[in-house]
This record gives sequence, C-alpha cells and structure tokens, in this order.
Amino acid sequence: QVTLRESGPALVKPTQTLTLTCTFSGFSFTTPGMCVSWIRQPPGKALEWLALIDWEDDKYYSTSLKTRLSISKDTSKNQVVLTMTDMDSVDTATYYCVRSQITGSTEFFDHWGQGTLVTVSS
Amino acid sequence: EIVLTQSPATLSLSPGERATLSCRASQSVSKYLAWYQQKPGQAPKVLIYDTINRATGIPVRFSGSGSGTDFTLTISSLEPEDFAVYYCQHRSTFGQGTRLEIK
Repeated sequence: QVTLRESGPALVKPTQTLTLTCTFSGFSFTTPGMCVSWIRQPPGKALEWLALIDWEDDKYYSTSLKTRLSISKDTSKNQVVLTMTDMDSVDTATYYCVRSQITGSTEFFDHWGQGTLVTVSS
Repeated sequence: EIVLTQSPATLSLSPGERATLSCRASQSVSKYLAWYQQKPGQAPKVLIYDTINRATGIPVRFSGSGSGTDFTLTISSLEPEDFAVYYCQHRSTFGQGTRLEIK
C-alpha cells in the first residue's frame, strides 16, 4: 500500500524559507521510473506543479518558481524534501506530495498525500 | 509550455444525467492526458490516464476519449458522489478545472 505524508510548518512569515518533508511508504526510489513531485493548490484555486525528483536523482522545477525551489531525497529514509525561499502571501496554499511513475511517455500522478496547508502571514 | 484549457468552468446537472467535460491543449499531447477528481477537503484522485485508461477502482461510468489537442471526460450517469471538481493534466501542466455541481 502506497502512502505519502507531508510535514512542515503550518505558518511561515514573509521572506522566510519553507521546508516541507514528504515521508512515504509502499515504494522505493530504487525502483526505476519512480518519481515524487510537489504540487500546491491555493485556497479555491487550481493545482500547480512545483518540482519533481526521480529515481536517478534528476530534478525538475516549475519554470516560474525555479529560482526559489530546491528538491532533494533521502532514499534510505524514504523522504523527499522541498525548500522554497522568500515566501510571500501568494504562496499560501495546500502543498501535496505526490508519486508518479514514468513508463515510456506515460506520466500521471497516481498517489497523493493528504496535503498540508501552509499560510504565509506576519 | 503547453496550456490546458478546460470547459465549461462550471457544469450544472442532475443525478442520472450524462456529463461531458472538455480539455483542450495548446499543442498536441498525443494520448498522454489524465483526469483527476477532487472533492472538498480531499486530495485529487486520478480517474483516467493516457486518455482512455481507467485507474484502479474507478467505475465504468467514467470514460475518456480524444487525442492530440482535444479530450473529453464523460460520466455516463451521474451519481451523487460525482459532484466535484475535475482537472485534466499533461506532464507538469494542469487545466484550471471544471466544477460539476448539482442542478
């Protein structure tokens, strides 16, 4: 059974750096094709993909946010960490940790964490 | 960068009716399009991947079609639990969503 769980602060101040941790079970980065992404959703708005890390430790970032994002993994701990610098009120959102598998050209998000709401406010 | 445009923004229907949701890509995505359902307070759930394939456990009333730039999610006969927001997705891009509400 695949599970993902996000953890991190519920409240951050403007200009601070956000660090979120995703702890997962039921799969491993030792399996080719495995990927973990971070996706966020501001209240009442659409989904926005932020970053992805794959089983080969390749990293991909949203074009509009790449200067502020960093994604890393600890394969032994089954964890993925996202950092986002210079937080602003527009970054208030629910942040999801999500698994995908790359099989040929097929890529979709098959397992989602419950999400963690991060509010940016002084 | 590919843009996905969903229509309509809101669809008002009654249980038992047929729902047709559209997703248009700004350039061809071949068959690589997925659909998600999101209920209030919940994470999205994948319904359809690669245009036509139902994800595990998804009822047969959900079906997908299309190719290239034009795609459709069809719910053949709406159940009360189907009223939610639906998103299409290709790679790192999501549509803006269609809200399916009870008429």
